[in-house]
Amino acid sequence: ETGVTQTPRHLVMGMTNKKSLKCEQHLGHNAMYWYKQSAKKPLELMFVYSLEERVENNSVPSRFSPECPNSSHLFLHLHTLQPEDSALYLCASSQFRGGENTGELFFGEGSRLTVL
Amino acid sequence: KNQVEQSPQSLIILEGKNCTLQCNYTVSPFSNLRWYKQDTGRGPVSLTIMTFSENTKSNGRYTATLDADTKQSSLHITASQLSDSASYICVVSAASGGSYIPTFGRGTSLIVHP
Repeated sequence: ETGVTQTPRHLVMGMTNKKSLKCEQHLGHNAMYWYKQSAKKPLELMFVYSLEERVENNSVPSRFSPECPNSSHLFLHLHTLQPEDSALYLCASSQFRGGENTGELFFGEGSRLTVL
Repeated sequence: KNQVEQSPQSLIILEGKNCTLQCNYTVSPFSNLRWYKQDTGRGPVSLTIMTFSENTKSNGRYTATLDADTKQSSLHITASQLSDSASYICVVSAASGGSYIPTFGRGTSLIVHP
């Protein structure tokens, strides 16, 4: 396995379900991100973890709950979602050095979420 | 507020033709600028990176330019191919003292017709 891997690639869930998205990076990076991409909209930053500590929570509703158990894994726990939450959820990783994020963002293939 | 503006929003060209995509930014202090290509339903992939001292950088048929004085960048695609159909996203990172989160543009959607 190389790069950034996301599972599942596709997920359909009802509004009362609880599910989780998983991201794993094999690049030795120290920062991981969750982005949301709705149809015909730009990427929206949701959460950033640096060295397993959440450093950014971009006003995301509490029905999205991130978890970063170690520097290689990132989860996005989903519960009581709304149909408007249907989107492509992208995980990315990068390397912070001395407070600068000069590194490239490496993205996973995304998890396509549909909320019925 | 850090911002990245891209134009045009969408572009349709014939296979074999050239095109140029534009990016204007207000990110400060500037560290680097990247162009990403995102195929439909896939994650973005970096094409080029430009730092403050670089004016031009090429990656195959893709050539990026940077004017740090006017805070503008362009991505020129030569002899377009059907596989170039994608969204092209300009991403600007700030240097130490600025936000460590890269700022994304809205992207330019390119469609190449045979």
